[in-house]
Amino acid sequence: DVKVTQSSRYLVKRTGEKVFLECVQDMDHENMFWYRQDPGLGLRLIYFSYDVKMKEKGDIPEGYSVSREKKERFSLILESASTNQTSMYLCASSLHRGFDQPQHFGDGTRLSIL
Amino acid sequence: GDSVTQMEGPVTLSEEAFLTINCTYTATGYPSLFWYVQYPGEGLQLLLKATKADDKGSNKGFEATYRKETTSFHLEKGSVQVSDSAVYFCALSYSFSGGYNKLIFGAGTRLAVHP
Repeated sequence: DVKVTQSSRYLVKRTGEKVFLECVQDMDHENMFWYRQDPGLGLRLIYFSYDVKMKEKGDIPEGYSVSREKKERFSLILESASTNQTSMYLCASSLHRGFDQPQHFGDGTRLSIL
Repeated sequence: GDSVTQMEGPVTLSEEAFLTINCTYTATGYPSLFWYVQYPGEGLQLLLKATKADDKGSNKGFEATYRKETTSFHLEKGSVQVSDSAVYFCALSYSFSGGYNKLIFGAGTRLAVHP
């Protein structure tokens, strides 16, 4: 089974801090994704990556950046955290670009910005 | 643009009742379709998928058929259990510029099953 591991289940940070969310997958998947999930808004794609050192903006990239230095690891960075970034963050991976490929999700990080 | 519409929840059922969660989509091409389930406090798990018209995906007693003529992918289960209580997401996969593929999710439907 694919295992996608997010480093923290719960995280509390202060406004203005630089926040790192880490995600690791163990199945040599090419593609990795970061979403945020908010009540009434569903899942929204922040950034994704189809290869090491490669990144593409999703639907809501403002205020975020990402890093993919190794194939198995994809980091989401909040450059200067704000209260409107309080949310559930979900990482996902998929084997390759084929549109029949499902995405496999981690358990999520619930981030609170105070 | 491409989109997914799910029936609003919550859906509340008694154990052993029949379940239907409606999902319709709008897409310019021929997307793949997925159902994901999210149990409390967890991430999303793939429940089933279908990649072309008339395909039926099935898993754990759940089924959904890719209906191109009605652009639908309704989720069904003949007899629900309390352990099926979760949020269910319908999603489609589409291609956009650069050869990338993305998932578009519906808003999710919460299912509550009581004994």
